[in-house]
Amino acid sequence: EPEVTQTPSHQVTQMGQEVILRCVPISNHLYFYWYRQILGQKVEFLVSFYNNEISEKSEIFDDQFSVERPDGSNFTLKIRSTKLEDSAMYFCASRPFGTYGYTFGSGTRLTVV
Amino acid sequence: KQEVTQIPAALSVPEGENLVLNCSFTDSAIYNLQWFRQDPGKGLTSLLLIQSSQREQTSGRLNASLDKSSGRSTLYIAASQPGDSATYLCAVRPGTGGGADGLTFGKGTHLIIQP
Repeated sequence: EPEVTQTPSHQVTQMGQEVILRCVPISNHLYFYWYRQILGQKVEFLVSFYNNEISEKSEIFDDQFSVERPDGSNFTLKIRSTKLEDSAMYFCASRPFGTYGYTFGSGTRLTVV
Repeated sequence: KQEVTQIPAALSVPEGENLVLNCSFTDSAIYNLQWFRQDPGKGLTSLLLIQSSQREQTSGRLNASLDKSSGRSTLYIAASQPGDSATYLCAVRPGTGGGADGLTFGKGTHLIIQP
């Protein structure tokens, strides 16, 4: 069964450093997403991406965050200057056109020290 | 703003029991509702997807129902097994259109099935 692949599975970074989280969505999917889950809290929506542009973003997704689809397969989330409160599990998801549900990746655990 | 609540927050039952997990949402204008399973430290595995026009969906021992007008969904697990132990998440996709399709999640029900 097709999967959404995320790398790395764990990343530790120092506060103030830039970090890039990478995702390879399912090949025939058209909509791409990033979510985060702070330990012990709800999964929260960050951003959706369609047709090479952001279609929706949450209040969390401020100027420190950006997304990019640099080629036909990768989808990245960049955090420019990480803060301690950015420590969380970050999930990438994708879905095809229409009424289908989402497929999530296994996540990247980001720890900011 | 959509709010999703899941009750109970935690549940521990002996193996073999049938059980019901509850999900409620405040805005009935949804496109669909999806139930996920999350194992500790892992990603989200989709279990069932119910479109707003549907009343229920079944997959094996799982049955999910949706009452959109009252803002409720239930996940029924028959003949529970220790392997069902996980956190179960409910998420709704808004029906407002215009490119707004970010899911709103509940906090989940942490389920433990005792052997």
